[in-house]
Amino acid sequence: GQNIDQPTEMTATEGAIVQINCTYQTSGFNGLFWYQQHAGEAPTFLSYNVLDGLEEKGRFSSFLSRSKGYSYLLLKELQMKDSASYLCAVRDSNYQLIWGAGTKLIIKP
Amino acid sequence: ETGVTQTPRHLVMGMTNKKSLKCEQHLGHNAMYWYKQSAKKPLELMFVYSLEERVENNSVPSRFSPECPNSSHLFLHLHTLQPEDSALYLCASSQERGGADTQYFGPGTRLTVL
Repeated sequence: GQNIDQPTEMTATEGAIVQINCTYQTSGFNGLFWYQQHAGEAPTFLSYNVLDGLEEKGRFSSFLSRSKGYSYLLLKELQMKDSASYLCAVRDSNYQLIWGAGTKLIIKP
Repeated sequence: ETGVTQTPRHLVMGMTNKKSLKCEQHLGHNAMYWYKQSAKKPLELMFVYSLEERVENNSVPSRFSPECPNSSHLFLHLHTLQPEDSALYLCASSQERGGADTQYFGPGTRLTVL
């Protein structure tokens, strides 16, 4: 079966750096997405990786290793507003998105 | 309005009621999606419409009935639901179905079935 694994919950300190990991086993691979979802709000697109390597976007970076079935989202200079759930999703060979259950990130002062 | 909007934001209904969820996208996209989001579970894709044609129906019970009258509007008609159907229902849209297109989500309807 198809599976996306990510930690359920993580805690970090304001101003610090946190890395949220995502491992996947899917039928084919056509890209990996990271979304941010604040409580009670819509998931919003953060990043897209289809080739191996690091994509940087301001304080957020996303890394992909297709051979390892692994990605991470790196958040730097954490702010209280970064408290949210972070969803990892992989597009499989049928171009269907397979979603992880999300990682709830708690930022403490 | 910009982006993807959903109404109502909250809905409480009994098991014998009939209600409808509405989604509207203002992005000029051709594909629209209904998802179910339950606590601590992955998003579950329910239905996909591409150019107003239903292209996916992931074994969703018949008590959920989608309707796509045009490429900007999507409805989810609900009848005789069960308490386990309580969840956040999210609508999304993308330029085309598949490819590298990013999906844009609405804020969801929080549904409670009593």
